[in-house]
Amino acid sequence: QVQLQESVPGLVKPSETLSLTCAVSGGSISSSHWWNWVRQPPGKGLEWIGEIYHSGISNYNPSLKSRVTISLDKSKNQFSLKLTSVTAADTAVYYCARGEAYSSGWLFPYFDCWGQGTLVTVSS
Amino acid sequence: SSELTQDPVVSVALGQTVRITCQGDSLRSYYASWYQQKPGQAPVLVIYGKNNRPSGIPDRFSGSSSGNTASLTITGAQAEDEADYYCNSRDSSGDHLRVFGGGTKLTVL
Repeated sequence: QVQLQESVPGLVKPSETLSLTCAVSGGSISSSHWWNWVRQPPGKGLEWIGEIYHSGISNYNPSLKSRVTISLDKSKNQFSLKLTSVTAADTAVYYCARGEAYSSGWLFPYFDCWGQGTLVTVSS
Repeated sequence: SSELTQDPVVSVALGQTVRITCQGDSLRSYYASWYQQKPGQAPVLVIYGKNNRPSGIPDRFSGSSSGNTASLTITGAQAEDEADYYCNSRDSSGDHLRVFGGGTKLTVL
């Protein structure tokens, strides 16, 4: 069974870059799935950040696209999130999640496996 | 603002049936998936595709879709079903990007 585990950066200063990794166990990051990042500000709803496929294809939320990069490290079986120029509005629990298989097309999007989430606080 | 709209709060009497809805133009083209989230926990997938339940999800959870509305139905709601529920699908931009609804807090009375 695939398990996902986010790293724990904790506190990030305003204007700096938030960096997170998601370690994948029980499966390969080179499998036919999308690998996603989702965040949730305290007391608010879920927000999709972006996704990547093992070929390197990536998609991002337009509201964050200018600041976000998602990448893969196949040798470590993990994928990463970088969010630049953070502000207090980026304070949230960040989740990594596995999406549906790439081969299933666009019609049936879902996230079937989630990490436990990690709280990132932006504060000086 | 979200392209998928959910009622913020819904309540149901214990043992009764409740339907949680998700509206959006993109739902005419894509299916929705549904997630249950309890306080302090990660979301859990409960319904995906036409009406598919992952292993371990009780059969009292079901999904349906009509026009621009996707629905999650809980038949015989239990106390442990009290949680936040989120729908997810793709947006209407044509770029197939993912989007969440704003979430529905379900109270079981």
